[in-house]
Amino acid sequence: AQKITQTQPGMFVQEKEAVTLDCTYDTSDQSYGLFWYKQPSSGEMIFLIYQGSYDEQNATEGRYSLNFQKARKSANLVISASQLGDSAMYFCAMREKAGAGSYQLTFGKGTKLSVIP
Amino acid sequence: SAVISQKPSRDICQRGTSLTIQCQVDSQVTMMFWYRQQPGQSLTLIATANQGSEATYESGFVIDKFPISRPNLTFSTLTVSNMSPEDSSIYLCSVDYRDTGELFFGEGSRLTVL
Repeated sequence: AQKITQTQPGMFVQEKEAVTLDCTYDTSDQSYGLFWYKQPSSGEMIFLIYQGSYDEQNATEGRYSLNFQKARKSANLVISASQLGDSAMYFCAMREKAGAGSYQLTFGKGTKLSVIP
Repeated sequence: SAVISQKPSRDICQRGTSLTIQCQVDSQVTMMFWYRQQPGQSLTLIATANQGSEATYESGFVIDKFPISRPNLTFSTLTVSNMSPEDSSIYLCSVDYRDTGELFFGEGSRLTVL
């Protein structure tokens, strides 16, 4: 089974509107972390936001917020006031323990967001 | 955040040759990670490189194909050996700069094998 599921291969949003990118995860760990990364067409991976499994409040970073619903195992990314520069691939990722004190980051397949002027 | 520089940023290579990708970090980090992103796909972890020990490879990746060096706490190299067109990918170096699981990535090395 996939550990990270992003069900939206592509999304369109009107400039200045808000958009939600879906992410569900599967883990039996109690302690884990959830991340969102942005990858523009240039290829670099840009960290956006982080949510720890024990964090009670949803994470926010500027125009980005993470809608964390632990019981449903979902960690959706909300981008408010979309800008043309937000057009990119967005990856959800989960950090889990990998044994011997180490951890591993697993990525979803990504969602391609296109912002329409 | 860490500044992570990768070289080359892109290259076009012939089948059967090898290419070494360098990753330089502006601060000392314990763990460095190498990822591969095949065209249109997500990121897959190749290996974890700790300074002073052999790299730990993920299932499906072997040292003969992807030898890794980690001579110090700020530098690592990944070699893609005996390349074939299936190795055409973006290769990304990343570090856990603050030991929190938050990965910072280099700009990536876009490799095309003809």
